[in-house]
Amino acid sequence: QQPVQSPQAVILREGEDAVINCSSSKALYSVHWYRQKHGEAPIFLMILLKGGEQKGHDKISASFNEKKQQSSLYLTASQLSYSGTYFCGEGGTSYGKLTFGQGTILTVHP
Amino acid sequence: GAVVSQHPSRVICKSGTSVKIECRSLDFQATTMFWYRQFPKQSLMLMATSNEGSKATYEQGVEKDKFLINHASLTLSTLTVTSAHPEDSSFYICSARGDPTSGVGDTQYFGPGTRLTVL
Repeated sequence: QQPVQSPQAVILREGEDAVINCSSSKALYSVHWYRQKHGEAPIFLMILLKGGEQKGHDKISASFNEKKQQSSLYLTASQLSYSGTYFCGEGGTSYGKLTFGQGTILTVHP
Repeated sequence: GAVVSQHPSRVICKSGTSVKIECRSLDFQATTMFWYRQFPKQSLMLMATSNEGSKATYEQGVEKDKFLINHASLTLSTLTVTSAHPEDSSFYICSARGDPTSGVGDTQYFGPGTRLTVL
């Protein structure tokens, strides 16, 4: 079973904020966030581990709520370069295998 | 750091032929590599997990005799699509798991993907 991402798609104007959620039906060991542009490889954004930590760099941050089995990605003051499909990958074991959500398409307009 | 290359980036072949795709971790050693398949506007579907020096572990529904995986070294894994058919046409992406002791994060770093078209 793959994690469920919401929303499926979001359209923003430059400078607006967005939140992407990732919910799992099982206990999470870690959550990994990626962004993929059309026809390209997914680019690693950040990883969150058990412990309810929050991470961020630049204007992108994420939280991990172990009890709720969910993670959220926060994009602040969006830029055109933020456009792409965002995937969360849940790690249920320690050997590195990830199960990806269905993706959230983010489009930022000028 | 944490760069993964994939070759070729595009390949067009005739039905019945075999195609080999290479995945290399350029600046770190990867004991584990993963192979994914991605259809347009869909998520990454894991095909198999490849560990250096041992047999690959395939996901349910993936034919191991059709998708041959070899992980010859800590920096190279190959996927061979044997007797390819049009339904095998897809975007194939590999990833390599970083080793935190080598300075990269314990996550997966993806190659740029290979677009396979079988005529």
